[in-house]
Amino acid sequence: EVQLLESGGGLVQPGGSLRLSCAGSGFTFSSSAMSWVRQAPGKGLEWVSTISGSGVSSYYADSVKGRFTISRDNSKNTLYLQMNSLRADDTAVYYCARGPTSLLIVDWGQGTLVTVSS
Amino acid sequence: QTVVTQEPSFSVSPGGTVTLTCGLSSGSVSTSSYPSWYQQTPGQAPRTLIYNTDTRSSGVPDRFSGSILGNKAALTITGAQADDESDYYCVLYMGGGIRLFGGGTKLTVL
Repeated sequence: EVQLLESGGGLVQPGGSLRLSCAGSGFTFSSSAMSWVRQAPGKGLEWVSTISGSGVSSYYADSVKGRFTISRDNSKNTLYLQMNSLRADDTAVYYCARGPTSLLIVDWGQGTLVTVSS
Repeated sequence: QTVVTQEPSFSVSPGGTVTLTCGLSSGSVSTSSYPSWYQQTPGQAPRTLIYNTDTRSSGVPDRFSGSILGNKAALTITGAQADDESDYYCVLYMGGGIRLFGGGTKLTVL
């Protein structure tokens, strides 16, 4: 069974930084593309970033490009999202997600809440 | 700026059939958009129903089906049940590694 467990969320001040982690199990981590998707309170889903299984290729939404960095450690079966220069509109539940290819999102974690507020 | 369009809300009677659509503000949706559909109830993580246009995710009943209808992706629910009342989101691959979610459809079963 695929399991994705996010951690690292919390309260951070505007302009601050936070790193999210996602531990994967129940599948071949290094063969899976991984993504982050977020959902602001009361709003819809927003794709944030995707990284290929090898980690060579990564992609970002315009709203986070230059501020967020996605990475992975296949030896630890762990996905990361480094978030810098955080703004109030980055407040959201951040979901880790897995796909068989970089084109698809199939499995989801339970999410971790990031609140950006002074 | 291209936007992925979905009906904001839809209503279906118990036992009835409903088709939700996912389009583009500019252009057409095709299988090369790799459309996927997700179901979400309040406070829960999304659940994948359909991916790659018409592939049903593990454990999803065959009441749910995906297709391309005209220039849009479509999610059809047959034999609607009370617990199908949820928000439904589609996502499209836009090329260059970028994907966009639609704004979601709130489905009411009554």
